[in-house]
Amino acid sequence: EVQLVESGGGLVKPGGSLRLSCAASGFTFSTYIMNWLRQAPGKGLEWVSSISTSSNYIYYGNSVKGRFTISRDDASNSLYLQMNSLRAEDTAVYYCAGDLSSAAAAYWGQGTLVTVSS
Amino acid sequence: QSALTQPASVSGSPGQSITISCTGTSSDVGSYNLVSWYQQHPGKAPKLMIYEASRRPSGVSNRFSGSKSGNTASLTISGLQAEDEADYHCCSYAGSSTWVFGGGTKLTVL
Repeated sequence: EVQLVESGGGLVKPGGSLRLSCAASGFTFSTYIMNWLRQAPGKGLEWVSSISTSSNYIYYGNSVKGRFTISRDDASNSLYLQMNSLRAEDTAVYYCAGDLSSAAAAYWGQGTLVTVSS
Repeated sequence: QSALTQPASVSGSPGQSITISCTGTSSDVGSYNLVSWYQQHPGKAPKLMIYEASRRPSGVSNRFSGSKSGNTASLTISGLQAEDEADYHCCSYAGSSTWVFGGGTKLTVL
């Protein structure tokens, strides 16, 4: 059974940092493009970042470019998102997701809530 | 990366068919057959229902179908059932390995 389990969310002050983790199991993690997506309270989904197999290619949405860093460790089947210079508008549930096709995430975690507030 | 446009809400009675539209631009929906649709029940993670505009992942009911014409993609649900009540999000590849989503549509089964 495919499982993605996010962790690391919580309450952080504006300007602070947080590192999200995603533990994958039940599929060959190293062969999948992985992504972070988020959903602000009561809002739609937003793509945050993608990382290719072997970490060869990395992409970010404009709203997080220069502040967030995606990485993966295929040896431990883990995906990460380092979030720096956090802003109130980064408050959201963050999901890790695995690609089925371009812009098509077939595998999703349950999400982890990040709240940026003073 | 401007958001795709979806109606805020649609509704239908059990057994009926409904269609949700998703309008983008020639830079996203109009340029690629890489539109996906997600179903999301309250408090749950999204579930992929359609990808590459019209393909269904394994296990998704054939009551769900997708299409695309020009800059507009559509999701049609036939034979509406109570469990179809959820939010539906469209997404398109937007070039340079970026994605863009719509604002989401709340489907109410009357």
